[in-house]
Amino acid sequence: AQSVTQLDSHVSVSEGTPVLLRCNYSSSYSPSLFWYVQHPNKGLQLLLKYTSAATLVKGINGFEAEFKKSETSFHLTKPSAHMSDAAEYFCVVSEYNNNDMRFGAGTRLTVKP
Amino acid sequence: SAVISQKPSRDICQRGTSLTIQCQVDSQVTMMFWYRQQPGQSLTLIATANQGSEATYESGFVIDKFPISRPNLTFSTLTVSNMSPEDSSIYLCSVKSTSGGYNEQFFGPGTRLTVL
Repeated sequence: AQSVTQLDSHVSVSEGTPVLLRCNYSSSYSPSLFWYVQHPNKGLQLLLKYTSAATLVKGINGFEAEFKKSETSFHLTKPSAHMSDAAEYFCVVSEYNNNDMRFGAGTRLTVKP
Repeated sequence: SAVISQKPSRDICQRGTSLTIQCQVDSQVTMMFWYRQQPGQSLTLIATANQGSEATYESGFVIDKFPISRPNLTFSTLTVSNMSPEDSSIYLCSVKSTSGGYNEQFFGPGTRLTVL
């Protein structure tokens, strides 16, 4: 079965500096990979998704992620953090032959002024 | 895409009672999912609910505790039965879209449940 590991439970950056949220996945089939963001007391919002097309995926709010099969990674990056980026981020894997998505434990991003 | 609404958005319940959460989708979908997000935790899949068949429960979740209905292609309910404080969580409804051959799931806003 598929699974994801988010390597950092908490990441803290200063406003204007780069963001890196790390995710490794395990999958027996060609996976689909997603990043979701959850702001406090808000629902889940899809940031971006990888579905076997281009390995560098651009999402909303300036985020992007690169699918690296050799490293089984799908790290999320943003060149310059904004205060509004402070939230919980979830890496998610889904196998086309499976019917569900498996969530990572989440990474809490803190952005300092 | 799919727009999902849930009722209630939040509730505070007494131990031993039951709560039924409703999930309404603005389009017909085959597959619906119910997730639980315990405080400070990630999402855990409770069950998959397909219209016209019994729900499929994940390990650690049973039908007696979390009965699910799926009467049509746009609606589902999840009941949290005989509640205890450990059931305090956010419960999320989700639907799957396979348009274009790709997996994508959309999530409802969640129901925040507090059990006293």
